[in-house]
Amino acid sequence: IAGITQAPTSQILAAGRRMTLRCTQDMRHNAMYWYRQDLGLGLRLIHYSNTAGTTGKGEVPDGYSVSRANTDDFPLTLASAVPSQTSVYFCASKVEGAGTGELFFGEGSRLTVL
Amino acid sequence: GQNIDQPTEMTATEGAIVQINCTYQTSGFNGLFWYQQHAGEAPTFLSYNVLDGLEEKGRFSSFLSRSKGYSYLLLKELQMKDSASYLCAVLDSNYQLIWGAGTKLIIKP
Repeated sequence: IAGITQAPTSQILAAGRRMTLRCTQDMRHNAMYWYRQDLGLGLRLIHYSNTAGTTGKGEVPDGYSVSRANTDDFPLTLASAVPSQTSVYFCASKVEGAGTGELFFGEGSRLTVL
Repeated sequence: GQNIDQPTEMTATEGAIVQINCTYQTSGFNGLFWYQQHAGEAPTFLSYNVLDGLEEKGRFSSFLSRSKGYSYLLLKELQMKDSASYLCAVLDSNYQLIWGAGTKLIIKP
């Protein structure tokens, strides 16, 4: 049972470098999400995708981009990392339209930008 | 603006009962969720309420009052493994989840 897999689990990155966080799910969920989690703050939505081929901006999209070429993969790219992007990043998915809206999360990617 | 408030931290004793409150002000309401998150791990789903009242699921229960913008998570017969953060989240009128900052629950023997 895989569910959602994120990679890398942890990364230290120099400011200005490009970084892609990978996210793959095998549950055939339509909707996928990227959140960041910072101490003292709730999960904040970066980008989302309701179905393959479409993406949308969340609450804090600046400095990040995503793509959704197929149902399973939803990578998050930091084009030029800055220290304020130091955070724990969670990828999540759900069956779009499901009444409960239960999200399934990956294990997270801890990113440190120096 | 949209806002969800929950206590930052709570402490309780093993075997006891604890109630974690959540109040919300959101643009529309399509349901309220509680998630559990152990330190260093991903959040996992606990409960979903969309109608007023109490939903019971084993040792955990969740209550909702839409008119008061209020929910609570009730944990009974506390175990050490219940030490975690508990996240309250509301599905707004656009079906986007708005998250509270979470309540860190510390269980003492």
